[in-house]
Amino acid sequence: QSALTQPRSVSGSPGQSVTISCTGSSSDVGGYDFVSWYQQHPGKAPKVMIYDVDKRPSGVPDRFSGSKSGNTASLTISGLEAEDEADYYCCSYAGRYTFRIFGGGTKVTVL
Amino acid sequence: QVQLQQWGAGLLKPSETLSLTCAVYDASFNGYFWNWIRQPPGKGLEWIGEINDSGSTNYNPSLKSRVTISVDTSKKHVSLKLSSVTAADTAVYYCAGRIVGVQRVDHWGQGTLVTISS
Repeated sequence: QSALTQPRSVSGSPGQSVTISCTGSSSDVGGYDFVSWYQQHPGKAPKVMIYDVDKRPSGVPDRFSGSKSGNTASLTISGLEAEDEADYYCCSYAGRYTFRIFGGGTKVTVL
Repeated sequence: QVQLQQWGAGLLKPSETLSLTCAVYDASFNGYFWNWIRQPPGKGLEWIGEINDSGSTNYNPSLKSRVTISVDTSKKHVSLKLSSVTAADTAVYYCAGRIVGVQRVDHWGQGTLVTISS
């Protein structure tokens, strides 16, 4: 099964909002409310920012929000800050056979 | 705070078997699925598989024929073996944990770069 589709890069100025899309199929993103998003800074391990489509783990700023429509999930970062510059990966549960699949990743640049 | 420390050989030849181990500290070993996830240099994340304390496993179908994930609950260790490696298996390999019933990977090891080269 192919990776979920994400834009390779998005950018925004400090204070602006950016949205990253994650497109899959009815077998993964569209079929389950188990989409998560991970932030990864260079040379570091990923960190979960959103899970179950729109839930934030404790400690994640409320500037990060998630949503889903059909087979596409989205991560929005509002009030962009310099520290938000990183790679972001979506991940979806994909059923009992494939189980878990990641997106190709999106580089967020803060201008 | 859950800590994961991983180790294993960093350089292998094609056709050899990759072997990594992850130790779990400051957490109950039970109640988690322990994952292996990899990232080729400059590329995205790929889920390899996971196991719980009872030995129940889930694997990526594209790697299943070559992957074995096992646990030693007495040592709180999780192990990954990937057979018949090729250059395409060159990646940073992460050990990671998620709570059973939650589709969210909360805890990550430091990552181990494994290079496959003749």
